[in-house]
Amino acid sequence: QVQLVESGGGVVQPGRSLRLSCATSGFTFSNYAIHWVRQAPGKGLEWVAVISYDGSSEYYADSVKGRLTISRDKSTSTVSLQMNSLRTEDTATYYCARVTNGDFFDYWGQGTLVTVSS
Amino acid sequence: QSVLTQPPSVSGAPGQRVTISCTGSSSNIGSAYDVHWYQHLPGTAPKLLIHSNNNRPSGVPDRFSGSKSGTSASLAITGLQAEDEADYYCQSYDSSLSGFCVFGTGTKVTVL
Repeated sequence: QVQLVESGGGVVQPGRSLRLSCATSGFTFSNYAIHWVRQAPGKGLEWVAVISYDGSSEYYADSVKGRLTISRDKSTSTVSLQMNSLRTEDTATYYCARVTNGDFFDYWGQGTLVTVSS
Repeated sequence: QSVLTQPPSVSGAPGQRVTISCTGSSSNIGSAYDVHWYQHLPGTAPKLLIHSNNNRPSGVPDRFSGSKSGTSASLAITGLQAEDEADYYCQSYDSSLSGFCVFGTGTKVTVL
């Protein structure tokens, strides 16, 4: 069955870095784009970043551009999110999600919590 | 601030019908981008409810339906049940945004 499992969350000080991982299984990894979506405490869902099915294209929300970098490794079927220069406003649960040809998210992970605090 | 606006909350008694609006503009819903809807319970993964404006994935009850017209879309829940109490989000794309993808502001559905 299709699975996406996030890991790497934790507590980090402002200005520091963190790397999130999204391990996938149950589908042909190289056929799907993968997105990161986050939800800050008490707030709604916010789209963060996407990497194309072949890794040739990446797009980012303006709020994270230049600080977060998405990448994928086809040998491990994993998508990563490198988070640098973290801010308190980056505190959120981060979800990875698979997108279909119809551009909707059909499978999501359970999320990993990132807390940026001094 | 999202470019897709939803009411913060709607409520209804069990068995009633509620609707959730998702208002956009000419650069997103009005540009013929499809609208999708998700149900989200705190601490869990969001669940796809409606895709491509009005299509239900297998396993989603037919109490849920979607529609789209002009620069807006709607999600209707008929025969409201206690288990429907959750947050609901619309999602689409916007040609004016660098990453294109956008979620609505979210609506909390309360079953009275």
